[in-house]
Amino acid sequence: RKEVEQDPGPFNVPEGATVAFNCTYSNSASQSFFWYRQDCRKEPKLLMSVYSSGNEDGRFTAQLNRASQYISLLIRDSKLSDSATYLCVVNGDNQGGKLIFGQGTELSVKP
Amino acid sequence: GAGVSQSPSNKVTEKGKDVELRCDPISGHTALYWYRQRLGQGLEFLIYFQGNSAPDKSGLPSDRFSAERTGESVSTLTIQRTQQEDSAVYLCASNKGRGSLYNEQFFGPGTRLTVL
Repeated sequence: RKEVEQDPGPFNVPEGATVAFNCTYSNSASQSFFWYRQDCRKEPKLLMSVYSSGNEDGRFTAQLNRASQYISLLIRDSKLSDSATYLCVVNGDNQGGKLIFGQGTELSVKP
Repeated sequence: GAGVSQSPSNKVTEKGKDVELRCDPISGHTALYWYRQRLGQGLEFLIYFQGNSAPDKSGLPSDRFSAERTGESVSTLTIQRTQQEDSAVYLCASNKGRGSLYNEQFFGPGTRLTVL
C-alpha cells in the first residue's frame, strides 16, 4: 500500500463547478499535512496546510480526519486558472522533515 | 530574494555515464531535500540534509545514487553509471528545517535528466 494515496484523475469540470479531492495516508503517526499545487512542467508550490480543525482560504477548504487518516480539499467556484495537479502531502517524520507526496490528481477546468 | 536554484535545467546523457546535479538552497535554510519525479508520477523522496546531522538517505534507490552538501549551502546529487530508468525530473527543496511541523518546502525548478 502506498503511504499517501489520492483519487485517480483527471477531473474535468466546467468553470464555476465545485470539485473535491480525497486522500488517505497510512502512517497514523503523521502530524502535518499539506496540499501542494503543481502546474505542468513546473515545480510544486504550497497551496495550503491542513490543520486538525479544518481550514479555509478563499475558495479552498481543507479537512483532516485523523481517525480515518483522510484528508480532503474542496475547491468552490472553480476558475480556469485552477487547472493543475494537486498533490496531497504528509510529513514522513515527527520533526517537520521529509515529506511524502501522493501521486497527484490532475484538474482541468474548462470554459 | 532568490529562490532555490538548480543546474543544469536539462541534462541528456548516455547510459553508463555519471551525472552530477547541483542545488543552491535559499540562504538561511538549514534543511535541503532531493526528490525524483518520473513522468506522470508523484514526487519520490531521495535524501534529506538537516544542518550538521547525518543525512536521511532512506529514499536513495540504489548505491549508484549519492549526495553531498557543504555546510548549509550547495548540494550535489550524483548518479553513477546512469540507466534509462533514471530518466526523470530531479527536484531540490529547502526550508528552515526542524522546529515547526508546518515549515513550507520551497522547490527549485528541477533538472530534467534524460538517459539515452
